[in-house]
Parts: sequence; structure tokens; C-alpha cells
Amino acid sequence: EIVMTQSPVTLSLSPGEGAPLSCRASQSVGSNVAWYQKKPGQAPRLLIYASSTRATGVPARFSGSRSGTQFTLVISSLQSEDVGVYYCQQYNSWPSLTFGGGTRVDIK
Amino acid sequence: EVQLVESGGGLVQPGGSLRLSCVASGFSFSDYWMSWVRQSPGRGLEWVANIKHDESETYVLDSVRGRFSVSRDNAKNSLYLQMTTLRVEDTAVYYCVRSIYGNYFESWGQGTLVTVSS
Repeated sequence: EIVMTQSPVTLSLSPGEGAPLSCRASQSVGSNVAWYQKKPGQAPRLLIYASSTRATGVPARFSGSRSGTQFTLVISSLQSEDVGVYYCQQYNSWPSLTFGGGTRVDIK
Repeated sequence: EVQLVESGGGLVQPGGSLRLSCVASGFSFSDYWMSWVRQSPGRGLEWVANIKHDESETYVLDSVRGRFSVSRDNAKNSLYLQMTTLRVEDTAVYYCVRSIYGNYFESWGQGTLVTVSS
């Protein structure tokens, strides 16, 4: 099973601040990584697929990138509505699909 | 607008069974792979099952193989998850999800809570 390890576990940011969220795969997954946002009481929302392609309707302040087995989601300027938990997911070892443990983002 | 509405969750004793349902609307259901993904209390997301648009292929998580099965009825725009021999660790919110070729998860329902407890 491919393990996806996310860091940090929690990220506290001031409004307007930007920061990277990291996700490392235990082995090669190509660019087959997606990112999701989960807000309390809401369903998860797809943000990024294929490592760097924004899903429909996702604001440009969200961007994804890949370097080897390291994947990064950047929120360039935190808005209050961005508070939640962010998960990465690999789909390279199909049909065994695995998520990372999540990074909680909150407002400082 | 894509809508996915789950039902069938509830409280069940260990060893019991439940059948989850999901009704889809707002898109051509028979054209899409569908999935179930769960989130246990205080824990992250976990993929549970995939089913191809024509039901010719199904896949489930190793830890539920032999206990859970996924099916669909394209005439009713409906997805199902039959869960048997339930365990305490199956307690979670179960989400019905439209997936892209069974790879990643594009649209999610609001989820239905399954609690396995004596």
C-alpha cells in the first residue's frame, strides 16, 4: 500500500498569509495525486487533480505542484473561508486508492 | 447541478448488516464510475469501493472484502453499498461520490452516518 504522509499536521495562518501544505508518497505515484478541502459539517471538495490542475470553480489562490514523490498545495493568500482540513490522495496504485492524514488549516 | 443523496445509515450492532443507498441527479449517472468513501470519527478519509459505469468492474478496500459489496441500478440513478458482518471500526460517515474513472473524487454527497456499537 502506498502511504501518503502530510505535514504539518496543523497550520495556523493570518488572513492574507500564504503557506505550503506538503504530502509525500512512500513510492512513486507519478503525477496521480489529488487534493481535497474538508470543512466541518460539509462534504469534501475536490481542489486539484493530476498534481497541479485546478478543478472547476476552484480559486486561483490554490495551486499544486510536484517534485518527485513530494507534492505541495499552496494557498497563496488565506481567506477565512479556507479554514478546514486538506487531504492529498494518490490514484497511481489503482484500484488501491489512499489518502494522507490531513493538514488542518486555521486562522491565527 | 450534481446532487448525490445518501440514505440508510444508522445504529447497528457488531455483526449486523446495513444497506446504504445513494440517489444521483443532475448528470448522466450511467456514464460515470461511482465510489464510496468513508470518514471515521476524528480520522481522515478512506476509500471503500468503486464501481464502473456499467457495473462490469467492482473493487473494494481489502479490509472490507468479503463483507461489503457495491452495486448500482442505472435505471434508478442509484448506487448501493451492502455491508454485512459489521465491525466497530466500520463506524464512519459514508459518502457517495462521483469519481473520474474510479481514480479521484469529483462530486460528493453529504454523507450518511453508520454507527456500529453494542
